[in-house]
Amino acid sequence: AQSVTQLGSHVSVSEGALVLLRCNYSSSVPPYLFWYVQYPNQGLQLLLKYTTGATLVKGINGFEAEFKKSETSFHLTKPSAHMSDAAEYFCAVTGEGNYQLIWGAGTKLIIKP
Amino acid sequence: ETGVTQTPRHLVMGMTNKKSLKCEQHLGHNAMYWYKQSAKKPLELMFVYSLEERVENNSVPSRFSPECPNSSHLFLHLHTLQPEDSALYLCASSLSIAGTTDTQYFGPGTRLTVL
Repeated sequence: AQSVTQLGSHVSVSEGALVLLRCNYSSSVPPYLFWYVQYPNQGLQLLLKYTTGATLVKGINGFEAEFKKSETSFHLTKPSAHMSDAAEYFCAVTGEGNYQLIWGAGTKLIIKP
Repeated sequence: ETGVTQTPRHLVMGMTNKKSLKCEQHLGHNAMYWYKQSAKKPLELMFVYSLEERVENNSVPSRFSPECPNSSHLFLHLHTLQPEDSALYLCASSLSIAGTTDTQYFGPGTRLTVL
């Protein structure tokens, strides 16, 4: 069975500071991993995804995530937070032959001026 | 219109009402999904349609009834709902369900409140 854990339902950082959102997963098959973002009153939008190949994945809006198999992690980072990054971020996992995404509970990112 | 649209954006209904949620995708996709999003909980996949055929029904109560008349439209018919059904209902689409890495594109959701 697959599962996703996002550490921290809320993360608060100052504008210009490093953003780090944590995601750990469990999977019995090689995972495909996703980060989605949900801005207020909007649907979810794909930030980035890892399928195969390079373990450091770059996404939109300056975000990137690194797949670390030994740590079963796929943490999301951005070097410098911007006010427009305030949103809720969701990590999800699936695997070969399975179209269903297993979702984390989400982390709300709060940016302090 | 582009992407995935959902109507209405907000809906308040009584427990004895019947209402429907509508989703339309303008992306030429073949797969469509209904999700339930409740606060502080992971997204719950409710139904999946591929080429207008239902391929997944994740133990959803019968008071929720999906309909997919064509690959661009998806409905969720609601009747005799319970207050715990209050949530944000999201529609999504993807190119297919065969490609497990296909991106799912989401609509803005319908905020449902059951009184």
